[in-house]
This record gives sequence, structure tokens and C-alpha cells, in this order.
Amino acid sequence: EVQLVESGGDLVQPGGSLRLSCAASGFTFTSYWMHWVRQAPGKGLVWVARINNDGTRISYADSVKGRFTISRDNAKNTLYLQMNSLRAEDTAVYYCARDWSPAIDQWGQGTLVTVSS
Amino acid sequence: DIQMTQSPSSLSASVGDRVTISCRASQSINNYLNWYQQKPGKAPKLLIYGASSLQRGVPSRFSGSGSGTDFTLTISSLQPEDSATYYCQQSYSVPLTFGGGTKAEIK
Repeated sequence: EVQLVESGGDLVQPGGSLRLSCAASGFTFTSYWMHWVRQAPGKGLVWVARINNDGTRISYADSVKGRFTISRDNAKNTLYLQMNSLRAEDTAVYYCARDWSPAIDQWGQGTLVTVSS
Repeated sequence: DIQMTQSPSSLSASVGDRVTISCRASQSINNYLNWYQQKPGKAPKLLIYGASSLQRGVPSRFSGSGSGTDFTLTISSLQPEDSATYYCQQSYSVPLTFGGGTKAEIK
């Protein structure tokens, strides 16, 4: 069974940093591109970032470019999102998701990031 | 960036009704259009990919159509468990973008 389990969400002050992790199991992690997608409370889905199998091709939404870094450790079957210079508008549930081109076919349960003083 | 516009933003229909949700892209995306269902407090679930291909395990009452800029998700006979928010998403180019969502309620 495919599992994506996010962790690391927390309450953080504006300007602070946080690292999210996503532990993958039940599939060959190295065969898949991966995404982070977020959802602010009561709002819609917003794509954040994508990384290819070996971490050499990365794309970001303009809203997080220069502040967030997506990475992966294929030896640990883990996806990461390093978030710096956090803003109130980054408050959201962050989902780790598996790319199954042309769609996203597996999603984690999400981890809540709250940016507030 | 490609903008995705869904309509309606909400709908209310009876069990057994045929329901259609529209999604329009700001430029042609060929058939790189996917549909997701999300229930409150849960992660999204893939329903339709490539505009019209039904994801494994999804009931056949769900179907998708369209290409280019105009797409439709149809539920042929609405069931109580279909109460959810539905999102379209384009995978033609990054940044990937989602529609604003359609909240479907059962009367």
C-alpha cells in the first residue's frame, strides 16, 4: 500500500523557518517525481514545488521561489520542504504528493503550518 | 501562468441527478486536465486524468470530457457519498494550477 506521511508542521513566527518531511513507502520512491501542494484554511489547492527522481530538476511556484527549497533523500525514501522567511500567507496544510504523469495520484494526509506571532 | 476557471463554485442537487462541472483554461492545454475530489479534512483523490481517463477504483458514474480550453466533469447519477469539493488541475506546464473548486451538496 502506498503511504505518504508528512511531519514537521508547527506554529512558527513570521520570518521563521521550518522543515517538512514526507516519508514514502509502498512504492519505488526513486521512480517518481514528487510534489508539495498546500491549502490555506477554507481555500483551494495551490501547487508549491516539484522535484524529479534524482533531484536534478526542480520547479517552484513564484510565491515561494527563493524562500522554499524542495529536496529528497532517495536512500531514506523521504521528501523535504525547507521553508524560510515564512509569512502569514504561508499558513496552510501542506500535502506531499506523488506524480503519476499527467496527474498526481497519491497524497499524504497533510501537515499544518501556522505562521503567526 | 495558466489560469483555471471552474463553474459553478457550488451546486446543490438531489440523489440521482446528473451533475456537470465546467473548467476552462486560459490557454490550450491539449488534454492535460485532471479532476480531483476532496472531502472535508481529507486529502484530494484523483478521479479523472488526461481529461477523460477514469482512475482505477473510481465509480463509472464519474466521467470527463473536453480538450483544448474547455472541460467537463460529469456525475451521471449523484450519490450521497459524492458530497465533496471538486477541483480541476492542468498539468500542461509549470506552475501546475488548480481551479477554484466546486462544492457539491446533496439536497
